[in-house]
Amino acid sequence: GESVGLHLPTLSVQEGDNSIINCAYSNSASDYFIWYKQESGKGPQFIIDIRSNMDKRQGQRVTVLLNKTVKHLSLQIAATQPGDSAVYFCASRGSYGQNFVFGPGTRLSVLP
Amino acid sequence: DAGVIQSPRHEVTEMGQEVTLRCKPISGHNSLFWYRQTMMRGLELLIYFNNNVPIDDSGMPEDRFSAKMPNASFSTLKIQPSEPRDSAVYFCASSSRVGGSPLHFGNGTRLTVT
Repeated sequence: GESVGLHLPTLSVQEGDNSIINCAYSNSASDYFIWYKQESGKGPQFIIDIRSNMDKRQGQRVTVLLNKTVKHLSLQIAATQPGDSAVYFCASRGSYGQNFVFGPGTRLSVLP
Repeated sequence: DAGVIQSPRHEVTEMGQEVTLRCKPISGHNSLFWYRQTMMRGLELLIYFNNNVPIDDSGMPEDRFSAKMPNASFSTLKIQPSEPRDSAVYFCASSSRVGGSPLHFGNGTRLTVT
């Protein structure tokens, strides 16, 4: 079956450093990927997405990289700020029209 | 846009009682999803609707769970009777296209069954 997982369940970074959160997926047919941020007491919030015809996509302070060869996805956060502290989820879609599968999440802690 | 609205935010009930969770999706979105989140199992899809019609309820854990979407702007998730193992955060999400656009989540209902 399809699964999405994360290599690191927790990540601590110094304020101002760059953060990299990783995600592995198992379904080679996955064609659409999303990163979500979840703060305490809130629902997951959309950060950035990428489709399988792209290798990289940039947003404001965030970059998503997709390596289809090894079925790996990463989220890079530049100049990490205290407000970036949250749990980050990746989600993948098996094929068009299918639902997303969410990974277990990585907790990002920003140290002062 | 007010986003996806869920109520109540918190629900505490005794085992055996009926629980009803409510959701108002984003206007114009035609797909609605119910998820459950626990520490042990993460985010699990329970059921989703497309154009108010239930499409996939394979994630509904037991017959004690039921969901309805009487119109495009309202959905309920009901648990009857509730059990302590149902304690979790329940999220509603909506999207404009199933699998084709991001899900937009509400802030969830934290359910505690004692």
